[in-house]
Amino acid sequence: SQQGEEDPQALSIQEGENATMNCSYKTSINNLQWYRQNSGRGLVHLILIRSNEREKHSGRLRVTLDTSKKSSSLLITASRAADTASYFCATAPPSGYSTLTFGKGTMLLVSP
Amino acid sequence: DAGVIQSPRHEVTEMGQEVTLRCKPISGHNSLFWYRQTMMRGLELLIYFNNNVPIDDSGMPEDRFSAKMPNASFSTLKIQPSEPRDSAVYFCASSLDRGQAGHIQYFGAGTRLSVL
Repeated sequence: SQQGEEDPQALSIQEGENATMNCSYKTSINNLQWYRQNSGRGLVHLILIRSNEREKHSGRLRVTLDTSKKSSSLLITASRAADTASYFCATAPPSGYSTLTFGKGTMLLVSP
Repeated sequence: DAGVIQSPRHEVTEMGQEVTLRCKPISGHNSLFWYRQTMMRGLELLIYFNNNVPIDDSGMPEDRFSAKMPNASFSTLKIQPSEPRDSAVYFCASSLDRGQAGHIQYFGAGTRLSVL
């Protein structure tokens, strides 16, 4: 079953605007990761936030995690046409092996 | 490093034929994952290997699917016989598992399978 569920399913914005995507999950986690997938390509890791962290930054990316609400958000600032892709959150269980459970993704379209 | 390498990139076959997908993980990685991606079901984990041993194959749809990892640098996913509903993009991913949960995974470019 899907652990992470992204919202919205699709998002269309103009270049220069900010894009915010949300992820909700159901069970305890060790960490939560965000991945990007360009059309016809494999997934690429963007950022990882651990369960004891609340916010993390990487370049134009900002991720927040609220474990009490079991939710995370990914903010892309000053978006570019090259940011057009699908974005997935993936959750890692508190212990055990390295499996991740992926959501169905948010499709982001950034228009010039 | 060249990253995770999958072959072929595209495969078109007829129903009933055997299909073999191949994966070379990143050198030094000890975990390997096979996923299937469709519009309807999203990204599904099929099987997970750790140190060449299958750990979790609960996602393998049925007996028509089998996966092997004979050594640390090669894995195959086989479908025999193939059916039209197997049409999907199949991804291989690898990671370096240091004993904690949830390591970063590195994905190949995928194999787009069409079963006619």
